[in-house]
Amino acid sequence: SQQGEEDPQALSIQEGENATMNCSYKTSINNLQWYRQNSGRGLVHLILIRSNEREKHSGRLRVTLDTSKKSSSLLITASRAADTASYFCATDRGAGGTSYGKLTFGQGTILTVHP
Amino acid sequence: EAQVTQNPRYLITVTGKKLTVTCSQNMNHEYMSWYRQDPGLGLRQIYYSMNVEVTDKGDVPEGYKVSRKEKRNFPLILESPSPNQTSLYFCASSSKTPGPVSNQPQHFGDGTRLSIL
Repeated sequence: SQQGEEDPQALSIQEGENATMNCSYKTSINNLQWYRQNSGRGLVHLILIRSNEREKHSGRLRVTLDTSKKSSSLLITASRAADTASYFCATDRGAGGTSYGKLTFGQGTILTVHP
Repeated sequence: EAQVTQNPRYLITVTGKKLTVTCSQNMNHEYMSWYRQDPGLGLRQIYYSMNVEVTDKGDVPEGYKVSRKEKRNFPLILESPSPNQTSLYFCASSSKTPGPVSNQPQHFGDGTRLSIL
């Protein structure tokens, strides 16, 4: 099974609403990242949260991390049609700063924002 | 412009015909990695490289080879492609310091869509 798993698999909302996506993982981590992918394109980094952080903001994005539950959430506020994309979380499987090169991506959440 | 360039973007080929997908980055990144993306399975890591001449297996390395002779290039080689390697492939790069690698945002190429008939 995957280290990072997002839910829901798909989310459909109206413009202006908030979108929340969740990511769960299985092992301890150093950091967790969120990425966005427009259809058929490469992934674009959105935000990184470290294991000792609980919440982080970047513009309309808010990320939370609960290491006790091994889960993270990505909130997009006041969504726009241009936010329509797939969103992925990515984690390592190391702990304590070891430079492991393995990164694991979840299956992603497909977000559709209707104008 | 900082970028990761993959070639080709699209390729249709036949079983058993060796092929190479090139990946080049112009950001002087130490770390490079290959992923494949399949419906319902997300991105899975094939191989990664922490620096020149240092490569290691990801989660799905079977049927693939890589080399890292220069810092900027990280080609993916399919010696004898099979239909189950039909997929969308992505190359990514990042700095590796301050470590670990997961502390750095990954920069992705635009992808290579491979069809093996």
